[in-house]
Amino acid sequence: QVQLEESGGGVVQPGRSLRLSCAASGFTFNTYGMHWVRQAPGKGLEWVAVISYDGSNKYYADSVKGRFTISRDNSKNTLYLQMNSLRAEDTAVYYCAKSARLLEWFGNWFDPWGQGTLVTVSS
Amino acid sequence: DIQMTQSPSTLSASVGDRVTITCRASQSISSWLAWYQQKPGKAPKLLIYKASSLESGVPSRFSGSGSGTEFTLTISSLQPDDSATYYCQQYNSYWTFGQGTKVEIK
Repeated sequence: QVQLEESGGGVVQPGRSLRLSCAASGFTFNTYGMHWVRQAPGKGLEWVAVISYDGSNKYYADSVKGRFTISRDNSKNTLYLQMNSLRAEDTAVYYCAKSARLLEWFGNWFDPWGQGTLVTVSS
Repeated sequence: DIQMTQSPSTLSASVGDRVTITCRASQSISSWLAWYQQKPGKAPKLLIYKASSLESGVPSRFSGSGSGTEFTLTISSLQPDDSATYYCQQYNSYWTFGQGTKVEIK
């Protein structure tokens, strides 16, 4: 079955960097777009970034544009989120999620989601 | 940006009740809407896509309807396992979620 497993979360000081990973299995990774979504403690869901199946297209939420970079290594079935210049408001559980439809990375819902990794930005 | 507004924010109902959650979009999104269920400490789980298509394996007591700017998620007979927070999501233009509706069992 499809599995997504995030890692790399932790406590980091404001202004520092962190890289999250999402290991995928159970599907042909290089044929699906992938997303990052975050959820601040006690809050709702916020879409963060998307990358197309081949890595040629990337889009970001305004709140992270210029600070976060989404990437993927299709040879390793792994999705990444490089987070720079972190702020207190970036504190959240970060989920990776798979685009639901083959090759259609835009205009898709998410299914499934990983279990999430917690990022805490604090001095 | 397309804004999504859910109502109510919280609802409390009894087992067996029919429950309806509303989601409104700030502009037309056709039928490009999904619903997710999230339980505490867990990842969201897909229930409905394209406004009314039931995801495989999801109980048939869940249904979705609507198009354009107004959508509903209905639970026809509330069960104890349905206690969760429910989110709508538009995917017509990028991706935006509603603020969530917490469903509690009386």
